[in-house]
Amino acid sequence: EDQVTQSPEALRLQEGESSSLNCSYTVSGLRGLFWYRQDPGKGPEFLFTLYSAGEEKEKERLKATLTKKESFLHITAPKPEDSATYLCAVQLHGSGNTGKLIFGQGTTLQVKP
Amino acid sequence: NAGVTQTPKFQVLKTGQSMTLQCAQDMNHNSMYWYRQDPGMGLRLIYYSASEGTTDKGEVPNGYNVSRLNKREFSLRLESAAPSQTSVYFCASRPLDSPLHFGNGTRLTVT
Repeated sequence: EDQVTQSPEALRLQEGESSSLNCSYTVSGLRGLFWYRQDPGKGPEFLFTLYSAGEEKEKERLKATLTKKESFLHITAPKPEDSATYLCAVQLHGSGNTGKLIFGQGTTLQVKP
Repeated sequence: NAGVTQTPKFQVLKTGQSMTLQCAQDMNHNSMYWYRQDPGMGLRLIYYSASEGTTDKGEVPNGYNVSRLNKREFSLRLESAAPSQTSVYFCASRPLDSPLHFGNGTRLTVT
């Protein structure tokens, strides 16, 4: 069964304390892996797409990396405004043009000043 | 630029009542999707429409119907609401080979 698991479920950091969020996947074939940010009461907002092992993407304090079994979202020197739920999703080979995604449960990050 | 607009934002229904959730996008995207989000379950796909005129079932379609009214609009209907359908519903759209763009959700409570 295709599965996406995120850990930890919740993470509390002090401002400036770097850390990583994990997204592990067991799927029949990976077409792409996506990271989204979701603020309370809002819809998910796209951050990154990764397609192949070894690929990395960066945006401000965030860096996403991909291996054959998992992806990491590294947060360097986080600020309180980075507090949100971070969602990981995979698109499978063979999903064609449907764009169907399998989502993980999310990691809720709280950054305290 | 409005993006993906969902109405209503909040709704309370009694068991057995029906309602339609509306979704419209102004980005000329081909594909549209309905997801539900429940605590600890992640986002789960209910139905999707890869292009105007087509609709297909996702992971959790039971109890729902959809209509792709035109390229802009994709509605989700609950014919006879049940407490298990209490959730937050998200509509999303995407152009070809691009990430999903989400609306801000409809929070539905069924009592």
